[in-house]
Amino acid sequence: EAQVTQNPRYLITVTGKKLTVTCSQNMNHEYMSWYRQDPGLGLRQIYYSMNVEVTDKGDVPEGYKVSRKEKRNFPLILESPSPNQTSLYFCASKPGQSFLGETQYFGPGTRLLVL
Amino acid sequence: AQSVTQPDIHITVSEGASLELRCNYSYGATPYLFWYVQSPGQGLQLLLKYFSGDTLVQGIKGFEAEFKRSQSSFNLRKPSVHWSDAAEYFCAVDFTGGFKTIFGAGTRLFVKA
Repeated sequence: EAQVTQNPRYLITVTGKKLTVTCSQNMNHEYMSWYRQDPGLGLRQIYYSMNVEVTDKGDVPEGYKVSRKEKRNFPLILESPSPNQTSLYFCASKPGQSFLGETQYFGPGTRLLVL
Repeated sequence: AQSVTQPDIHITVSEGASLELRCNYSYGATPYLFWYVQSPGQGLQLLLKYFSGDTLVQGIKGFEAEFKRSQSSFNLRKPSVHWSDAAEYFCAVDFTGGFKTIFGAGTRLFVKA
C-alpha cells in the first residue's frame, strides 16, 4: 500500500531534550515536506526537500533541522525543543516530476507535547 | 505576499442540505489551487485541484469547486451533505514553482442530523 508513515504518533517530552520524528514514504517520491498544524493557523511549512541531499526552509523553520540522506526518509529533528513547538506535525510527499500542481500525500500526523 | 484566507472558522449544516466553503487567495501568477479534507485523527486527503481549463472542477465524494479569477476565489461546494462529511477542510495554493504550499486556516464542518 502506497503510504507515508510517521513515528512516533504521540510524543511527550521536556524542554531541551533532543528528539527526532521519522517520516518514510514508499512511493519513490522526489519531494518531501514537513508541516505543523496549530489551531486557527492551518498548516505551516517547516522544511521541504526536492531531492536527496537538497533541502530548503519553509515559512517556520526556526528550531528545526532536517536531513535527506535517502529518497524514502525525511526525519525532522528538534535539537532543543521548547513549549512553543507543541503542535501536530505532518509529513507529506509528492512525485516531484513537475512539483507545481502535484498532489501531496500526507502521513497520519505526530502529536508533540513539550513540557 | 501570497496568502490563503478561509473566512469561516466553522460551519454547521443540516444533513442533506447544500454546502459552500469559501476560499480567497492572493497570488500574482496563475494559481495552482487545492482543497484537502482532514477527518478527525487523520492526515489530509486531496478532494480536488485546479490549475487550468474548465473553472468548475469535480472532485471525490461529490465535491466540486469553482475558480473565479475576478474574485480571487476557489469555493468548495456539495449539493447534499452527509454526516460523514464532518471534518476540517483546507484550501491551499502552490507557489515558488511548487516547492512551497500555503494553506488556509481551515474550516471545520459540523453536520447536524
